[in-house]
Amino acid sequence: QKEVEQNSGPLSVPEGAIASLNCTYSDRGSQSFFWYRQYSGKSPELIMFIYSNGDKEDGRFTAQLNKASQYVSLLIRDSQPSDSATYLCAVGPGDSARQLTFGSGTQLTVLP
Amino acid sequence: NAGVTQTPKFRILKIGQSMTLQCTQDMNHNYMYWYRQDPGMGLKLIYYSVGAGITDKGEVPNGYNVSRSTTEDFPLRLELAAPSQTSVYFCASGGIETQYFGPGTRLTVL
Repeated sequence: QKEVEQNSGPLSVPEGAIASLNCTYSDRGSQSFFWYRQYSGKSPELIMFIYSNGDKEDGRFTAQLNKASQYVSLLIRDSQPSDSATYLCAVGPGDSARQLTFGSGTQLTVLP
Repeated sequence: NAGVTQTPKFRILKIGQSMTLQCTQDMNHNYMYWYRQDPGMGLKLIYYSVGAGITDKGEVPNGYNVSRSTTEDFPLRLELAAPSQTSVYFCASGGIETQYFGPGTRLTVL
């Protein structure tokens, strides 16, 4: 069974700090990796995806992928209170967002 | 363009009752999904569909049924509701770069 593991948290960081969220996955054949943000009582929304080893930056967000270690992370720079949410890691078997396996999420709180 | 819509938003069922959760998307996606999310947990895949007339089981299909007669609609049927089915249910439709989620249905079985 494919597994995606995340630290459940909660993770608290002060405003302006870097938040680091981690995710490991069990299926070595996984090809696509996604980070979703979910505010309390709302549905998940995509932050970013990454397919290749290395770093991918989008504004204040950086996704890091290491397929050899089966590890993907999300860094949030200059964290803001509006970043307070649960962050879901999702992993897919192909080069698309089809048939994803989700982790249980990490709850992040950014303190003003 | 409404994206993915779900009805109802909230529902309380008694043990043994049945109901259908409705899901409609207007993005012409072939892939559609049903997930459940228990408190403090991630999303568990119940069923998915790769196109009209084609459905397949996900990780937690027991107690549920689906059908896909059109590209737009993907209803989820609960038969003989049980307290273990108390959860938030999300429908999603899939593009290449992301899955788009509906607003969810909060179901309580008492």
